[in-house]
Amino acid sequence: DAKTTQPTSMDCAEGRAANLPCNHSTISGNEYVYWYRQIHSQGPQYIIHGLKNNETNEMASLIITEDRKSSTLILPHATLRDTAVYYCIVRVEGDMRFGAGTRLTVKP
Amino acid sequence: KAGVTQTPRYLIKTRGQQVTLSCSPISGHRSVSWYQQTPGQGLQFLFEYFSETQRNKGNFPGRFSGRQFSNSRSEMNVSTLELGDSALYLCASSLAGLARETQYFGPGTRLLVL
Repeated sequence: DAKTTQPTSMDCAEGRAANLPCNHSTISGNEYVYWYRQIHSQGPQYIIHGLKNNETNEMASLIITEDRKSSTLILPHATLRDTAVYYCIVRVEGDMRFGAGTRLTVKP
Repeated sequence: KAGVTQTPRYLIKTRGQQVTLSCSPISGHRSVSWYQQTPGQGLQFLFEYFSETQRNKGNFPGRFSGRQFSNSRSEMNVSTLELGDSALYLCASSLAGLARETQYFGPGTRLLVL
């Protein structure tokens, strides 16, 4: 059973920031928030993860609220190649439960 | 470093047959997890192997089984195939399967059951 809730779909203009929200109100203290994306039935691609602090890497930023009940993935300058399904996952050891994800469409 | 590899990439079987899928993890990774992805159910966790032992299992019937070898390579077997087993089967590897470790996915094996 997925422990996350995400919007079904979102649009974003090319070159603008894409902000993808995720609710995980039942997250436990030892559970990490992970983000993956999947492009056209390829294997999911890792984006970023965090426990309670905000994180940033070359692909994206992850903002986790102080109570850890929600998070936001930020793609700072979305390109057409960022069109994909984005999954927010709460992970414990050895187990990742995927929800339905958000289908992000980047438009020119 | 080479990524996670899965073979074969595509497979067609008929109902009642069995199938074996293979997954080679990233070098040094000892945890391998398997997932099934269908349009109706999305991505679902099948099981996880670590050091040749099944450590976690999802909610799938006993027709789905797996094993892991001493070199961390893993195989997944589905017996008595049903039409509903048509899916993309994904494997993913990580160092030890800990929650803080990134899990990397392979390209998947697309199975079609006729």
